[in-house]
Amino acid sequence: GENVEQHPSTLSVQEGDSAVIKCTYSDSASNYFPWYKQELGKRPQLIIDIRSNVGEKKDQRIAVTLNKTAKHFSLHITETQPEDSAVYFCAASRDTGGFKTIFGAGTRLFVKA
Amino acid sequence: DVKVTQSSRYLVKRTGEKVFLECVQDMDHENMFWYRQDPGLGLRLIYFSYDVKMKEKGDIPEGYSVSREKKERFSLILESASTNQTSMYLCASSLPSGSYEQYFGPGTRLTVT
Repeated sequence: GENVEQHPSTLSVQEGDSAVIKCTYSDSASNYFPWYKQELGKRPQLIIDIRSNVGEKKDQRIAVTLNKTAKHFSLHITETQPEDSAVYFCAASRDTGGFKTIFGAGTRLFVKA
Repeated sequence: DVKVTQSSRYLVKRTGEKVFLECVQDMDHENMFWYRQDPGLGLRLIYFSYDVKMKEKGDIPEGYSVSREKKERFSLILESASTNQTSMYLCASSLPSGSYEQYFGPGTRLTVT
């Protein structure tokens, strides 16, 4: 079946460094790729998303890149801050033939002050 | 501001009990989802619904059923709770199709003893 692989499962960086999380998807019909952030004890919330007609999207310190040929996409966080510490989930879905969203297993990011 | 609420934050039930988890959203969203969140496994889809009285199985529907009698309410039912259903359950809603942000509820931590 369809799946999304996410790496690494845990990432520890020093405050101010960059963090990169990578995901690979299997369903070639996927055309929407959101990233969710879940702080401890809270609900997941969307932080950025990208659609298949775009290769890169940036929002302040966060950027996402998509390589449709290779079927992988990545989240880049620059100038990390302690409040970036959370679990990040990538996901892939398509808007036709069903609305199922497949999530990655998550990456726990620690930003050390 | 989208609001998704779940009936309980914490629930303790005994093996064999019938368990009802309720989710309500106030944004007139067509899609509603039930996920199960376990450490290292990410968010796994149990069931989703794209309209009143419509439902589709997700990746792990065994042991669960759902009900959507009204657009704003989506219920998850554990017919006979078992200890391996101890988990965090998250409800979400979104606009129609798979290419829109999902808004999550706060989660219900269910313990089956």
